[in-house]
Amino acid sequence: AQSVTQLDSQVPVFEEAPVELRCNYSSSVSVYLFWYVQYPNQGLQLLLKYLSGSTLVKGINGFEAEFNKSQTSFHLRKPSVHISDTAEYFCAVSDTGRRALTFGSGTRLQVQP
Amino acid sequence: GAGVSQSPSNKVTEKGKDVELRCDPISGHTALYWYRQRLGQGLEFLIYFQGNSAPDKSGLPSDRFSAERTGGSVSTLTIQRTQQEDSAVYLCASGGGGTAYEQYFGPGTRLTVT
Repeated sequence: AQSVTQLDSQVPVFEEAPVELRCNYSSSVSVYLFWYVQYPNQGLQLLLKYLSGSTLVKGINGFEAEFNKSQTSFHLRKPSVHISDTAEYFCAVSDTGRRALTFGSGTRLQVQP
Repeated sequence: GAGVSQSPSNKVTEKGKDVELRCDPISGHTALYWYRQRLGQGLEFLIYFQGNSAPDKSGLPSDRFSAERTGGSVSTLTIQRTQQEDSAVYLCASGGGGTAYEQYFGPGTRLTVT
């Protein structure tokens, strides 16, 4: 069985500051990792994914994440946030044999002016 | 092109009634997923269809929940004898299958059981 832990339920940050949203996972098999964003009153949108290869993956809107197998982490980062980045961010994992995603409980990023 | 669509967008029903939620996936996508999102929580997997294979029903919470996918396209999630704990947003996603692991989500159906 897999599980995903997002350690922070809310992250307040000032505009133009850097941010890191933490994600740790637990799995007994190889996994694929994803970050999704949910803007207010909108559906989920894929930010980035790690399937294989380089452990540093870049996504849309200036976000990036680094897969760390030894620490079973996939933290999301952005060097300078904007007000428009205010949203709920979900980390998710699927194993290489089963496509269904296991999601974390989400982190609400609140960017303040 | 068109994304994943779901209907209705909102559904209010009385406890004990049956409800049907519909999902239209992206044309050509062979994989279709249903998830449930309770207030303030992450998404819970319910069921997964891939082409003509038998669906993965391992996430369905009880036998009151069922889903079908007709003609490899449209899917209907049915909840029988609804309970208040069924209140949630039900999300559908589709994907290309094969080596394409991305899932594209619809806007969801907000179900409220009174």
